[in-house]
Amino acid sequence: EAQVTQNPRYLITVTGKKLTVTCSQNMNHEYMSWYRQDPGLGLRQIYYSMNVEVTDKGDVPEGYKVSRKEKRNFPLILESPSPNQTSLYFCASSLNPGIHGYTFGSGTRLTVV
Amino acid sequence: KNEVEQSPQNLTAQEGEFITINCSYSVGISALHWLQQHPGGGIVSLFMLSSGKKKHGRLIATINIQEKHSSLHITASHPRDSAVYICAVRTGNQFYFGTGTSLTVIP
Repeated sequence: EAQVTQNPRYLITVTGKKLTVTCSQNMNHEYMSWYRQDPGLGLRQIYYSMNVEVTDKGDVPEGYKVSRKEKRNFPLILESPSPNQTSLYFCASSLNPGIHGYTFGSGTRLTVV
Repeated sequence: KNEVEQSPQNLTAQEGEFITINCSYSVGISALHWLQQHPGGGIVSLFMLSSGKKKHGRLIATINIQEKHSSLHITASHPRDSAVYICAVRTGNQFYFGTGTSLTVIP
């Protein structure tokens, strides 16, 4: 089944403890991206990647890192999480964002205490 | 400053009603997307538009590039259409999202 898989679905962590949210797609998509969703603010783009080893900042990149060492994986790294990074996170991918729609992961609900 | 504005924020309809959700944007775009977010949180891509009109089942999406406006219509609405509908615009490689329209369809 064609899908974007995020892990974990739920995570509670403490301030300052490094964490990684994984994202993997099995559709050979070139484009991958990360978003956070907050009440009243909607979805906001964190980082995106047009291809392997090519990443760029979105609207709200501060406090986040990403890497794209292989096409299928695009992990989101929080080196030193803070409570303001408590949010619902989505990963998405597309074969060609100029032509095709997006496939979203199921989301990761992160709580930083 | 919001690049994308949606209206209404909340909408309640009776089953069978014709529904319209509006999206206005202020930036130059290469494409506009309509997304559906289910009560469980999952997001599904409904349409991608750069001009004109698209139809899929009971859903119709239109865009007017000159007026920077798009509409999502649902004909013969059904309780299973209850969800949050999100408008998103792509400018270059960046995305900007509306805050969503929460639709409830009552049987």
